[in-house]
Amino acid sequence: TQLLEQSPQFLSIQEGENLTVYCNSSSVFSSLQWYRQEPGEGPVLLVTVVTGGEVKKLKRLTFQFGDARKDSSLHITAAQPGDTGLYLCAGGSQGNLIFGKGTKLSVKP
Amino acid sequence: NAGVTQTPKFQVLKTGQSMTLQCAQDMNHNSMYWYRQDPGMGLRLIYYSASEGTTDKGEVPNGYNVSRLNKREFSLRLESAAPSQTSVYFCASTQAGGGRRSGTYEQYFGPGTRLTVT
Repeated sequence: TQLLEQSPQFLSIQEGENLTVYCNSSSVFSSLQWYRQEPGEGPVLLVTVVTGGEVKKLKRLTFQFGDARKDSSLHITAAQPGDTGLYLCAGGSQGNLIFGKGTKLSVKP
Repeated sequence: NAGVTQTPKFQVLKTGQSMTLQCAQDMNHNSMYWYRQDPGMGLRLIYYSASEGTTDKGEVPNGYNVSRLNKREFSLRLESAAPSQTSVYFCASTQAGGGRRSGTYEQYFGPGTRLTVT
């Protein structure tokens, strides 16, 4: 069974701080996606990475796919209250997605 | 475009009652999915339909049935609800029609149905 473990599970920081969340597995994935979910809504895709070592930037968010395609990280620079939400990673496997349990981020003004 | 719509938004059932959760997408996507989300458990796949006319079990299919009514609509039925089925249910769709690379396609999610079984 393929599993994706996310850490930390919860993170509470002040506006302006930097943070990194991690998504790890013992399995290789063909792709890795990051979603953000706000309370009462469905997840929304932030990025997809498909190549080992790939780095993608989305404004203040930097996503990295591990060289072996088993892990990924999300780094947020100068976090803002609008970044608050549940961050989910999802690995592509045999046509479907396997989701991690998520990191719940709270950014306080 | 409405994207992915789900009805109802909220539902309370008594143990043993049945109900159908409806999902529709207007993006002409081939594949559709039903997930449940529980605290501390993440999103778990219940059933999926890689294309119109096909359905397959996911990680947690017991107690559920699905129907891919047409390309737009994918319904989830609980025949005899149990308290363990209390959860938030999400429908999603994606352009891909299955296959190894379909996991690289963006999944679009509906707003969810919050179901409580007492």
